[in-house]
Amino acid sequence: NAGVTQTPKFQVLKTGQSMTLQCAQDMNHEYMSWYRQDPGMGLRLIHYSVGAGITDQGEVPNGYNVSRSTTEDFPLRLLSAAPSQTSVYFCASALSSNYGYTFGSGTRLTVV
Amino acid sequence: GENVEQHPSTLSVQEGDSAVIKCTYSDSASNYFPWYKQELGKRPQLIIDIRSNVGEKKDQRIAVTLNKTAKHFSLHITETQPEDSAVYFCAASGGQNNAGNMLTFGGGTRLMVKP
Repeated sequence: NAGVTQTPKFQVLKTGQSMTLQCAQDMNHEYMSWYRQDPGMGLRLIHYSVGAGITDQGEVPNGYNVSRSTTEDFPLRLLSAAPSQTSVYFCASALSSNYGYTFGSGTRLTVV
Repeated sequence: GENVEQHPSTLSVQEGDSAVIKCTYSDSASNYFPWYKQELGKRPQLIIDIRSNVGEKKDQRIAVTLNKTAKHFSLHITETQPEDSAVYFCAASGGQNNAGNMLTFGGGTRLMVKP
């Protein structure tokens, strides 16, 4: 099992550019989520999915879109990058609610 | 939604001493409380978790206690070692006001163990 795989590991974007952060898991987990981590702010939920075809907003969804066409993949799209989106992004998956999350290795994004 | 507060934000202990990190949560219906350890530049990793039908759980030098009435839970690390130095996050899920039962994280505690 590869667990949760995130790509890319690092990315620099110019303001206004768009891009997609990829996340894939091979554990047949139903629950997948995206968090951003800023210094001193902990982990904040952006979007989540409780199964293929189902997505919903978390605490800080503005400027991001997601889709879940398969159980394995949960990409995060930045529509028009802004400097405020400079952060480390983590994808996580879990078997269901109330089970421990497995995190990907993260994507460090800088928007200039 | 759920709100999780974590204290202290930084904690410095001498090697061999104990460390305690405390968290409070707002949603009385929350029923799952994991703890994650994050080393510098790495991903968060689950170290221990507790569910609301249990008051205490131990795993070697790590223990977690839960007080449902007071809505707080704590992480206890005994006989600390330099490799315990990291940022620790508490989290809660399962509450009625929690988006899709996703985890809500505390702000983190930076633990420094001095040799």
